[in-house]
Amino acid sequence: DSGVTQTPKHLITATGQRVTLRCSPRSGDLSVYWYQQSLDQGLQFLIQYYNGEERAKGNILERFSAQQFPDLHSELNLSSLELGDSALYFCASSMRVGGGYTFGSGTRLTVV
Amino acid sequence: AQTVTQSQPEMSVQEAETVTLSCTYDTSESNYYLFWYKQPPSRQMILVIRQEAYKQQNATENRFSVNFQKAAKSFSLKISDSQLGDTAMYFCAFGGGVTSGSRLTFGEGTQLTVNP
Repeated sequence: DSGVTQTPKHLITATGQRVTLRCSPRSGDLSVYWYQQSLDQGLQFLIQYYNGEERAKGNILERFSAQQFPDLHSELNLSSLELGDSALYFCASSMRVGGGYTFGSGTRLTVV
Repeated sequence: AQTVTQSQPEMSVQEAETVTLSCTYDTSESNYYLFWYKQPPSRQMILVIRQEAYKQQNATENRFSVNFQKAAKSFSLKISDSQLGDTAMYFCAFGGGVTSGSRLTFGEGTQLTVNP
């Protein structure tokens, strides 16, 4: 157990639907990051939150949004889903710059 | 923007031998961090080793060591005494620069297979 909890582990949904992915960071970590990993590809940075505020934004589609709550857990909302959104979505947390991330086990999203 | 390039999509090595995975990066930053992450078939992302750019000494973690060449913007990973459990996808990552902040930029990965 890395200390970062992601739920659900697997999600199958239809095109056009909306889903919410949840992440609880490691205790003490204020930063949460979301990454997307499509099949056999590297990880693409989506968005970062620090202590409840958006800190950085990457290649995140307008159909996607995220937030971090006062208890520091974060949710990634994906709407109007398309087949191409099928991927492994990782959440990671960190305490400080350069310390490296702790990753959750990911949510496997399949859009059919 | 920073870029990370891993030029070896696949590599294989015999058990107990040594293998080196290559990584180059492009940045205008002077202070930053570099990482190697391992992703086994379980798909879990596991930090293998990290290097601080302002340190000249190469990082070492047990059987894993890096060759960090800052001027050449090269950051290779050496795995000694390879074990079957080392079979995984390995990702090189850059982060911690002034413009990039704490987000990481990953390479496309190298699939390493350790053969018995």
